[in-house]
This record gives sequence, structure tokens and C-alpha cells, in this order.
Amino acid sequence: AQSVTQLGSHVSVSEGALVLLRCNYSSSVPPYLFWYVQYPNQGLQLLLKYTSAATLVKGINGFEAEFKKSETSFHLTKPSAHMSDAAEYFCAVSGKNTDKLIFGTGTRLQVFP
Amino acid sequence: DGGITQSPKYLFRKEGQNVTLSCEQNLNHDAMYWYRQDPGQGLRLIYYSQIVNDFQKGDIAEGYSVSREKKESFPLTVTSAQKNPTAFYLCASRLAGGPHNEQFFGPGTRLTVL
Repeated sequence: AQSVTQLGSHVSVSEGALVLLRCNYSSSVPPYLFWYVQYPNQGLQLLLKYTSAATLVKGINGFEAEFKKSETSFHLTKPSAHMSDAAEYFCAVSGKNTDKLIFGTGTRLQVFP
Repeated sequence: DGGITQSPKYLFRKEGQNVTLSCEQNLNHDAMYWYRQDPGQGLRLIYYSQIVNDFQKGDIAEGYSVSREKKESFPLTVTSAQKNPTAFYLCASRLAGGPHNEQFFGPGTRLTVL
């Protein structure tokens, strides 16, 4: 069975500081991994996805994530936080022969001036 | 512009009433999904459909029903059997062709039971 664990339901950083949001997955097959962002009272927007082409994936708004098979991780990073990055972030996994995504419980990012 | 629309944005219901949430997409996607979102619990799958006239239960289907009569539409009915329906409901769609294809989400409907 597949699962996703997001460590830390809340993360706070200062504007300009490094953002690191953690995601670990469990999958018996090579996974496809996704990061989504959700602003208050809105739907989810895709930030980036890993589909086995390259282990370092660059997404929108300056975010990137690195797939590490040995650590079963897909952590999301951004070198310098901006106030507009304040939102909730979801990691998700799907595997071969499935049409479903399994979501983590989300991490709420706060950015302080 | 292509996308997913959900209506209404906010919905209020009295206990014991059924209510239907609309989801329409013009992306020509084959698969559509309904999720429920509660604080601290992430997204939980209610129902999904891969083709017209066919759908499957997700993890929390009890108290909900769906139909898929047209490719672009996937309405969700919250019945009176759903004991705790107050939540944020999200619809999504995905192009067929493999699990590497991401899901696209609508703006959501916030349902409140009075």
C-alpha cells in the first residue's frame, strides 16, 4: 500500500529564509510524486511533479524538490521565502496501475516579515 | 479558458436535507474525482470516475452519491445519511494515459450544515 507522511503540520520562517517542507513516501512500486499548494478557500494548484525523468525537479514560484530513493523522501525547498508563499502544501503519491492520488495531511507554511 | 468549475462556492443546508454539488470541466479529461477536506486531515477521496456511466467508491463514500452521465460533469450529492457533512469539497479531473498525469482541481465548495 502507498502512503505519504508530511513531517510538521506547521512551519514558520522569516521572509528571505530557506523553506524546507518534508515529505516521505511508502510505495512498493516506483512512485510518481507531486507537490500541491493551496491558498485559503481555494483549490489545489500543482507546484511540481516527479515522474522518474530527473531526481531534482524544478517547479513554479521558485520551488524545487529532490527525489531520494534511499531515503524515500521528496522534500520541497525554496531558497528564499516570500510573504506570498504563505499557504498549505500537500505532498501526494501515485503508483503504476492506479488512477488515485494518496495525499499527506498537509503542512501550513507561515512567513513572517 | 479551460478549467474546472464548482458551484456554488458556499452552500448552507439544514439537517436532513439532501444537497447536490456541481462540478464541470472543459479540459476533455477522462477521470474525475471528489474529495472532502477537513482541517488537519488532508484530502480524503469520496468517489471517482474513469469513464462515463461508471464510478468507484473511494475511502469515505458512505452518505454520498454521484453520477457520470456526461464526460464533462460529475455532480456529488450529499445525502441526509452523511452524519457530519460540514466540510470543504474539492472536485478534480485528470487526463487518462498514466498515473504520472497530475490532477487538476476546481476552486471548491464549502458546505455548512445548520
